[in-house]
Amino acid sequence: DAKTTQPPSMDCAEGRAANLPCNHSTISGNEYVYWYRQIHSQGPQYIIHGLKNNETNEMASLIITEDRKSSTLILPHATLRDTAVYYCIVRVLGYGGSQGNLIFGKGTKLSVKP
Amino acid sequence: GAVVSQHPSWVICKSGTSVKIECRSLDFQATTMFWYRQFPKQSLMLMATSNEGSKATYEQGVEKDKFLINHASLTLSTLTVTSAHPEDSSFYICSATGLAGGRSYEQYFGPGTRLTVT
Repeated sequence: DAKTTQPPSMDCAEGRAANLPCNHSTISGNEYVYWYRQIHSQGPQYIIHGLKNNETNEMASLIITEDRKSSTLILPHATLRDTAVYYCIVRVLGYGGSQGNLIFGKGTKLSVKP
Repeated sequence: GAVVSQHPSWVICKSGTSVKIECRSLDFQATTMFWYRQFPKQSLMLMATSNEGSKATYEQGVEKDKFLINHASLTLSTLTVTSAHPEDSSFYICSATGLAGGRSYEQYFGPGTRLTVT
């Protein structure tokens, strides 16, 4: 079972920031927080991941609370193309090729509206 | 970088026939590949994990004799749905991960294959 809880759906106005929350209260010390998104009828796309520090890349920012029990994915200027299902996943990341499997929950369906 | 392709992107077959789906890592060597299945309006479900040159590890409830997985090279894995039935109609997605400088790549996904069994 997925170890995360996300709202089933959210709306966002085009050009505004989209803030997607995720609860992961049972996260272990060696588990990372990953975010993927899936646009309709496509494979999932990696967005960002982090352990305990906030992270930012060209797609999004990830804010992780100090106790690591929740996080927020921020799309700073949402566009219509950001409409997708966003998945928050916690997993172990190992070196040398061993990785924890990705267990997908139901995600949040983000609808960006003009 | 880290592009994964799948072929075909969609396929229609008759009940009782077998269908092969290919998954390729185009710009890296995939030591591990994963196969997922996604039914309409549902999330992705992991079917099996395969390491290059080894037998695949199937998730509970997935029939290994029905879903044959071959990972014979570091860039190619195939999923064969044998004796397909309408209930096997689904969106099949592969993902791949590998090594670079001793560190694991993230898991990158293919575009998916839509299988319809009539």
